[in-house]
Amino acid sequence: TQLLEQSPQFLSIQEGENLTVYCNSSSVFSSLQWYRQEPGEGPVLLVTVVTGGEVKKLKRLTFQFGDARKDSSLHITAAQPGDTGLYLCAGARQAGTALIFGKGTTLSVSS
Amino acid sequence: DTEVTQTPKHLVMGMTNKKSLKCEQHMGHRAMYWYKQKAKKPPELMFVYSYEKLSINESVPSRFSPECPNSSLLNLHLHALQPEDSALYLCASSPWSRTTLNTFGSGTRLTVV
Repeated sequence: TQLLEQSPQFLSIQEGENLTVYCNSSSVFSSLQWYRQEPGEGPVLLVTVVTGGEVKKLKRLTFQFGDARKDSSLHITAAQPGDTGLYLCAGARQAGTALIFGKGTTLSVSS
Repeated sequence: DTEVTQTPKHLVMGMTNKKSLKCEQHMGHRAMYWYKQKAKKPPELMFVYSYEKLSINESVPSRFSPECPNSSLLNLHLHALQPEDSALYLCASSPWSRTTLNTFGSGTRLTVV
């Protein structure tokens, strides 16, 4: 059973389009993180959300943590080719436990 | 210095070879991790060291042997690997084990032939 369900698994869009990636669970998480990974590199932390209902913005990226702290979303506005990569959500059930990763979303943005 | 440095970046080894992967951080982090990642898949946790002591071993085969010589260094010794062990091996660190703010290295791309 996958504790963190991430969707979609693959996404191929044109430059300028908007997209949303979802990360869902039936369990409560103390925090959720979003990473972006380019080929041949390690994941880079984009944001951490810890409070239910929290919304964080990072330029064209908007991250939301569900009120019940069981789900999160990443919305990208006006996608650019530089946004191409593997997006990973990861959560901690509680402090002191290892990160649980979703299966990842491979995003391809073409110009 | 906010980096986790991994060497080598690429490694090709035979199934009878012995090699080591190295990881170094100078952020004063006290928790260090090894992950294995296959293409287009999420990282899979292998080992966690907390204050230089092994705290988590996710049922990893004994052909992978971790070592934490001090608070800045983490090694992964490899021996008698199989082709299916080919993957990107990622090292990460966090301030302490009770936080999950992992800083990842760029990884070692391992190919077993």
